[in-house]
Amino acid sequence: DIVMTQSPDSLAVSLGERATINCKSSQSVLSRSTNKNFLAWFQQKPGQPPKLLIYWASTRESGVPDRFSGSGSGTDFTLTISSLQAEDVAVYFCHQYYGAPLTFGGGTKVEIK
Amino acid sequence: EMQLVESGGGLVQPGGSLRLSCAASGLTSSDYWMTWVRQVPGMGLEWVANIKEDESEKYYLDSVKGRFTISRDNAKNSVYLQMNSLRAEDTAVYYCARGRGWIFNHWGQGTLVTVSS
Repeated sequence: DIVMTQSPDSLAVSLGERATINCKSSQSVLSRSTNKNFLAWFQQKPGQPPKLLIYWASTRESGVPDRFSGSGSGTDFTLTISSLQAEDVAVYFCHQYYGAPLTFGGGTKVEIK
Repeated sequence: EMQLVESGGGLVQPGGSLRLSCAASGLTSSDYWMTWVRQVPGMGLEWVANIKEDESEKYYLDSVKGRFTISRDNAKNSVYLQMNSLRAEDTAVYYCARGRGWIFNHWGQGTLVTVSS
């Protein structure tokens, strides 16, 4: 199974400042045949289901603000919120869909400082 | 409005069974992979099972293999999760989601399953 490890567990960032979340997979999620990373990021607010933000490690889902960006390849990935807004307070999960069992990181809680 | 609506959750005793349903409205599910993901309230996400559009491929979390069965009825735009031999550790909110391949971008609101005596 591919284990997804996120860091930090939580972070507090001032409004308008940058938030950075890291995710490491226990094995590469880069497909050699497609040159794509099977890595997604989700946002989850209290009482709501997860919302897809990023897929293929760096492609923003339709409607997601461009302050959200994803980067990385192979086993190391980053989600960046360039200018934190109040509505970005949530838990963020990385997720690999390279192979079954699909797995998620433990989550990173983002709060306002 | 496009939505997925789960139903069928509830309180069940250990060893019991439940059948979860997920109905799509305002969007089709028949041309998409579907998945079930669960979450203990306040905790992380755990993938449970996937099913291909034509049911030709199904995948399961090891801990539910032989106990849970994912199925679908494309004519009804619905997907199901039959859960047998339920254990306390199956207690969670169960979400269904629709995917482009295995990129799951439409999620339901979830249904709570509680396994307790």
